[in-house]
Amino acid sequence: LAKTTQPISMDSYEGQEVNITCSHNNIATNDYITWYQQFPSQGPRFIIQGYKTKVTNEVASLFIPADRKSSTLSLPRVSLSDTAVYYCLVGDRGRDDKIIFGKGTRLHILP
Amino acid sequence: SQTIHQWPATLVQPVGSPLSLECTVEGTSNPNLYWYRQAAGRGLQLLFYSVGIGQISSEVPQNLSASRPQDRQFILSSKKLLLSDSGFYLCAWSERPNQPQHFGDGTRLSIL
Repeated sequence: LAKTTQPISMDSYEGQEVNITCSHNNIATNDYITWYQQFPSQGPRFIIQGYKTKVTNEVASLFIPADRKSSTLSLPRVSLSDTAVYYCLVGDRGRDDKIIFGKGTRLHILP
Repeated sequence: SQTIHQWPATLVQPVGSPLSLECTVEGTSNPNLYWYRQAAGRGLQLLFYSVGIGQISSEVPQNLSASRPQDRQFILSSKKLLLSDSGFYLCAWSERPNQPQHFGDGTRLSIL
């Protein structure tokens, strides 16, 4: 399983764009990159998933460079309600395998 | 649409007592099912996952067990709880292995 490394915590201000980078140097050819968001006392919520280049949905964008050894979750114009823990995971969608949740990045949005 | 139900939301149990947490999924068939535990301020620890009825894989040796008596029902059990079993227990499902997982609201378990 590819190991991921992300910052333990980040602070930002309301209205700013926030970029959280995840490193996954040992990513395999069939691995996808998935991001989750977790609020206190709730289960994680799926945000976005991608394989290469750029993926965008109504919540976030995911940027993946050509070598796929890292990825960046971009949250546009954050608000106080975006304060949460964000997890980056890497895994093969086609295998009977399991994804490991690390400690994630604790994002704190300030007014 | 698919929904996942997990209960109870909170539970306080004495040391040595048994445990049964239930999770059910609606709106899908043959889901992959997962049990996680999260200690305060920590990441998620995968406890069990199941790809079908009666098929359970255990990730961490402990005094917990899991069963899948029906396609969309996943049960976490213990015969005798330990203090170290306290935590936030989360059930999740996915359509296939390593597809995005969808989580329940969790059970906060306190052992006294």
